[in-house]
Amino acid sequence: KQEVTQIPAALSVPEGENLVLNCSFTDSAIYNLQWFRQDPGKGLTSLLLIQSSQREQTSGRLNASLDKSSGRSTLYIAASQPGDSATYLCAVSVSGAQKLVFGQGTRLTINP
Amino acid sequence: ETGVTQSPTHLIKTRGQQVTLRCSSQSGHNTVSWYQQALGQGPQFIFQYYREEENGRGNFPPRFSGLQFPNYSSELNVNALELDDSALYLCASSLGGQETQYFGPGTRLLVL
Repeated sequence: KQEVTQIPAALSVPEGENLVLNCSFTDSAIYNLQWFRQDPGKGLTSLLLIQSSQREQTSGRLNASLDKSSGRSTLYIAASQPGDSATYLCAVSVSGAQKLVFGQGTRLTINP
Repeated sequence: ETGVTQSPTHLIKTRGQQVTLRCSSQSGHNTVSWYQQALGQGPQFIFQYYREEENGRGNFPPRFSGLQFPNYSSELNVNALELDDSALYLCASSLGGQETQYFGPGTRLLVL
């Protein structure tokens, strides 16, 4: 059974810092891995999707890496801004299955 | 291109009642997946519909049921509501079961 864990559960940093969010998964047989952003009470916004054959993806100040063999992914946020405050969720799509398996998320607060 | 929409946005029911939630998929998408997100948790997969047929189900009891219509919109029905059914219900559409899923804003259900 695939399990996804995100550490830390919450993170508070001052504006301008670079930061890393971590995601680990137990079964390396994944189809892809996705990072989402969720604002309070809202739906999910897809940030980055990494196919199982890829090592990383970049979008603006965001960079996500994937190491399937160790079951880990990181989301790097450069030059953080107060508008980056949200919950960040990692999800894996399991090969041969139809569902996304999510971690519990990291609640990020960027202090001005 | 129209995104994923869900209705209603909020709903209050009492224990034992039945509820129907609706989702309109993104234009051109033939697959809809439903997730339940309890407060402070990551979303949990309920089931997926592909071309009007159920195409995978998570660990939810039979009182959670669904439909997909010829236009690929979908309904989630929950019978005999319990207090623990209080959650944000998210629907996601995709072109195929393992392709990128695009999420709607969710329906927040409160069961009293």
